[in-house]
Amino acid sequence: DTAVSQTPKYLVTQMGNDKSIKCEQNLGHDTMYWYKQDSKKFLKIMFSYNNKELIINETVPNRFSPKSPDKAHLNLHINSLELGDSAVYFCASSPPGQGPEKLFFGSGTQLSVL
Amino acid sequence: GQNIDQPTEMTATEGAIVQINCTYQTSGFNGLFWYQQHAGEAPTFLSYNVLDGLEEKGRFSSFLSRSKGYSYLLLKELQMKDSASYLCAVSDSNYQLIWGAGTKLIIKP
Repeated sequence: DTAVSQTPKYLVTQMGNDKSIKCEQNLGHDTMYWYKQDSKKFLKIMFSYNNKELIINETVPNRFSPKSPDKAHLNLHINSLELGDSAVYFCASSPPGQGPEKLFFGSGTQLSVL
Repeated sequence: GQNIDQPTEMTATEGAIVQINCTYQTSGFNGLFWYQQHAGEAPTFLSYNVLDGLEEKGRFSSFLSRSKGYSYLLLKELQMKDSASYLCAVSDSNYQLIWGAGTKLIIKP
């Protein structure tokens, strides 16, 4: 029973293509996130959604567009892929609360842009 | 700016004790997290400190000093499976997590 699942695990594609990564959580959490982990292992938040509404949108190229059809799903669509987009992308969720909560991460999607 | 510093890599021996330090400078503080990340896998939650002092959880303990902007993760009775990266993250005044780059811990037999 995977708590946070994302697909695909690996994504290899050519520059200029458009691709999507899907994420689903069955924990009943209200908040979901997309993180990017680069080759230096820094985790950087890209987006955060609470109950389908965007609450954090860091400085991310507008080629990246998150979509949350319901609070259990947060998908990431990337247009016109560039070499610098190669990284591991993690979806995560956290339970509702007034303060900081621990994150539950998906297994990651390793994106390689050729 | 906001900054989290931790050593890039550490090596320790199976059965020994290791301490991984983390210093932070953030706009506000709402707690500090430690996560473990095995190679090719997702980070998993280890500990959370919001008050000064030591939190113990089995072989792992985490310490916090807010006045010094400092935390450490202490791992006892090291096992080979503890070889992983350990990520320090601070929740700032907006409850956003600021992440360190992680410390890669190598355990030798």
